[in-house]
Amino acid sequence: QQPVQSPQAVILREGEDAVINCSSSKALYSVHWYRQKHGEAPVFLMILLKGGEQKGHDKISASFNEKKQQSSLYLTASQLSYSGTYFCGTENTGNQFYFGTGTSLTVIP
Amino acid sequence: EPEVTQTPSHQVTQMGQEVILRCVPISNHLYFYWYRQILGQKVEFLVSFYNNEISEKSEIFDDQFSVERPDGSNFTLKIRSTKLEDSAMYFCASSLAGGSSYNEQFFGPGTRLTVL
Repeated sequence: QQPVQSPQAVILREGEDAVINCSSSKALYSVHWYRQKHGEAPVFLMILLKGGEQKGHDKISASFNEKKQQSSLYLTASQLSYSGTYFCGTENTGNQFYFGTGTSLTVIP
Repeated sequence: EPEVTQTPSHQVTQMGQEVILRCVPISNHLYFYWYRQILGQKVEFLVSFYNNEISEKSEIFDDQFSVERPDGSNFTLKIRSTKLEDSAMYFCASSLAGGSSYNEQFFGPGTRLTVL
């Protein structure tokens, strides 16, 4: 039931773009995106509630394709502060929540 | 800004001992969660709690685990007889709503549990 993320890890230079994908084998009601820095708790980025929904703030945006049971997180013009592990989180029933496998993002100068 | 707090920040215990991890969710939140993260691995859902009862639990949350809201502010996770493999960071989270509603989860800083 755990969603699968790809890639597992990515290294970017400052200013480059990245896409992180999240897919589930189960029907999704919503998709959350969180970022976790080393040794810290996950921090909420955004939630997408409907198929086809897209959201964004600053240079981080996401889309949710309900039919394909997939979501993608887009990071544009990456900054050093974007480094961390990104998790998608999905709800497919009630209040049971599953984090994805995680994507480690490293932004280098 | 309101935040979720957890105590202790680090707990060391002997195998077979009982531990209680404590959390104070954000005061107007209604849904509470426990997660664990083994070092270097993914965050794993343990249990969600709403209206003074367990809403959902994962396969990890077996009879060794229990949760309680003993008063209006605390939310606890008890592990009855700890095993070495229980060593992990345990995160508490709370949200205003749950289910398919807009329910951003706010995470506490975590309790690192070390079982010797």
